[in-house]
Amino acid sequence: GAVVSQHPSWVICKSGTSVKIECRSLDFQATTMFWYRQFPKQSLMLMATSNEGSKATYEQGVEKDKFLINHASLTLSTLTVTSAHPEDSSFYICSAITDGTFGYTFGSGTRLTVV
Amino acid sequence: AQSVTQPDIHITVSEGASLELRCNYSYGATPYLFWYVQSPGQGLQLLLKYFSGDTLVQGIKGFEAEFKRSQSSFNLRKPSVHWSDAAEYFCAVGDTGTASKLTFGTGTRLQVTL
Repeated sequence: GAVVSQHPSWVICKSGTSVKIECRSLDFQATTMFWYRQFPKQSLMLMATSNEGSKATYEQGVEKDKFLINHASLTLSTLTVTSAHPEDSSFYICSAITDGTFGYTFGSGTRLTVV
Repeated sequence: AQSVTQPDIHITVSEGASLELRCNYSYGATPYLFWYVQSPGQGLQLLLKYFSGDTLVQGIKGFEAEFKRSQSSFNLRKPSVHWSDAAEYFCAVGDTGTASKLTFGTGTRLQVTL
């Protein structure tokens, strides 16, 4: 089946630095990918929709300059958390549409800790 | 805008007992409904989905869910729970009009006692 590979699985960074998270579709082309954020013991909140070759669409309240999304190819989308602060610590998950309109495959997530 | 409510934050059942996780949705049209399971520190795995047709949907791992339009519900059931079913369960509704966005409920954490 379709696989979405997300790296790194976990990362610890210092406050003020930037962190890049990659999401790759391994055996299919992902025109659209989604980035979610999940706080401990809470639900997934959609941050943005990433479309290959165009600008990402951000949800209300998500700072586009802080969470940079690049979807330069049909197999790779990246999320860069710029000037990270402790409040950005969270679990970030990507997903890609693999089958029709609502066939999704999720990455395994990235645990970001900003110290 | 659509929304999903999972009334139970935490449920504990004994292994072998039956399970029902509740999900209520709010959506203007016929919804696309999903149940996902998440193990600690992992991504989400699709258990089952409902788009149309038979309102009783069978999924993986012995799970099923029933769509009840009159109650705006899509409850997840399993006749006999296994210890490996302990995880977080999310109900979600798909927005057919907005680039296939999913809106998730707050999740129900299932604990299984031996």
